[in-house]
Amino acid sequence: NAGVTQTPKFQVLKTGQSMTLQCAQDMNHEYMSWYRQDPGMGLRLIHYSVGAGITDQGEVPNGYNVSRSTTEDFPLRLLSAAPSQTSVYFCASSYRDPRPDTQYFGPGTRLTVL
Amino acid sequence: AQTVTQSQPEMSVQEAETVTLSCTYDTSESDYYLFWYKQPPSRQMILVIRQEAYKQQNATENRFSVNFQKAAKSFSLKISDSQLGDAAMYFCAYRSAFGHNFNKFYFGSGTKLNVKP
Repeated sequence: NAGVTQTPKFQVLKTGQSMTLQCAQDMNHEYMSWYRQDPGMGLRLIHYSVGAGITDQGEVPNGYNVSRSTTEDFPLRLLSAAPSQTSVYFCASSYRDPRPDTQYFGPGTRLTVL
Repeated sequence: AQTVTQSQPEMSVQEAETVTLSCTYDTSESDYYLFWYKQPPSRQMILVIRQEAYKQQNATENRFSVNFQKAAKSFSLKISDSQLGDAAMYFCAYRSAFGHNFNKFYFGSGTKLNVKP
């Protein structure tokens, strides 16, 4: 049981480049989420999914796309990277029923956009 | 949207002593969950303790306990017998228990805890 995995751990991009951050979980969790963590601001929700084929926006969705084709995977796409997207990105997952539970976090991806 | 406030950016405690981290939140909901997460330098987010709003009894996990004051919308974390391994960033988080928002977590800005030997 690997829990929540994220790849890559580190990434450097140039402005305008695109890339996909990968997230996978093996706990059969319905909910998956992406957060970004910036200094002094805690974690902010980017996008989330309540199940395969269903996604919704969080607090800071601009510049990011997501899709959920399987229960296990929830990739985050940056279509045209900007320096403002330099951050640490966390993926998380949790059960939904019978009562929502805590989220389990991946190890994070540190992204730098030059 | 719900907001979570941690007013102490940084705190220090002597090893073996007790420290309390503060958290307040703003919500109009009656049912929700509150969490404390620990983030050591490794960046891994580790669940420390959770509290369900409909339970009046304060949650306890070994050396960690909370003081949940629902009317005051306060959720503080007490760490007893502090250890060097407790040094980390601590985040308070809120999650709705139902409805459209119940997958969304709202995090405070964090409190950095230093433990002095």
